[in-house]
Amino acid sequence: ETGVTQTPRHLVMGMTNKKSLKCEQHLGHNAMYWYKQSAKKPLELMFVYNFKEQTENNSVPSRFSPECPNSSHLFLHLHTLQPEDSALYLCASSLGASTYGYTFGSGTRLTVV
Amino acid sequence: QQQVKQSPQSLIVQKGGISIINCAYENTAFDYFPWYQQFPGKGPALLIAIRPDVSEKKEGRFTISFNKSAKQFSLHIMDSQPGDSATYFCAAILYGQNFVFGPGTRLSVLP
Repeated sequence: ETGVTQTPRHLVMGMTNKKSLKCEQHLGHNAMYWYKQSAKKPLELMFVYNFKEQTENNSVPSRFSPECPNSSHLFLHLHTLQPEDSALYLCASSLGASTYGYTFGSGTRLTVV
Repeated sequence: QQQVKQSPQSLIVQKGGISIINCAYENTAFDYFPWYQQFPGKGPALLIAIRPDVSEKKEGRFTISFNKSAKQFSLHIMDSQPGDSATYFCAAILYGQNFVFGPGTRLSVLP
């Protein structure tokens, strides 16, 4: 275990469904991130939270809605997704926002049908 | 200026050979250059990292070579093993800003 746990590991959802991805870290970090990983593309930063406050939203469509109730938990709520949203969604954490030591979770493989 | 270019896209090496992956950046303000290793079904994990005031860093079979004037850095895997088969990402960061990742290199080490 890396210290960052993501659930579920796999998710298949229809375009009209609503689902949530969960991320939990036990490292005492204060910053958490959502990344999207698509084949043959660089990791795409989606959202940054620092001490529960959202500090960055990289022009992510509103069908992705993040939630950070505390420094240890991060959610990504999904609704009315498109097939092109199918990807591996990675959560990461670091001691502070934009510091050097990122720890990634194993990701949620999302398939939109 | 925030891009990190990485090559090759994929690499096949025989067991015992040397694997070399190259990255190039534009922003001379970057002050930390990590490499991440990702196995199938897992998230990226930090492998080795270097700061720009050092030209080389070695950890076991993994070496980063850094050329500040050329704005390039590379990962060398000596005595490559089948267990090294993974996707490798270079990255660059300026403290206080977000990581910039390369697109990744898929390494296959043949037994």
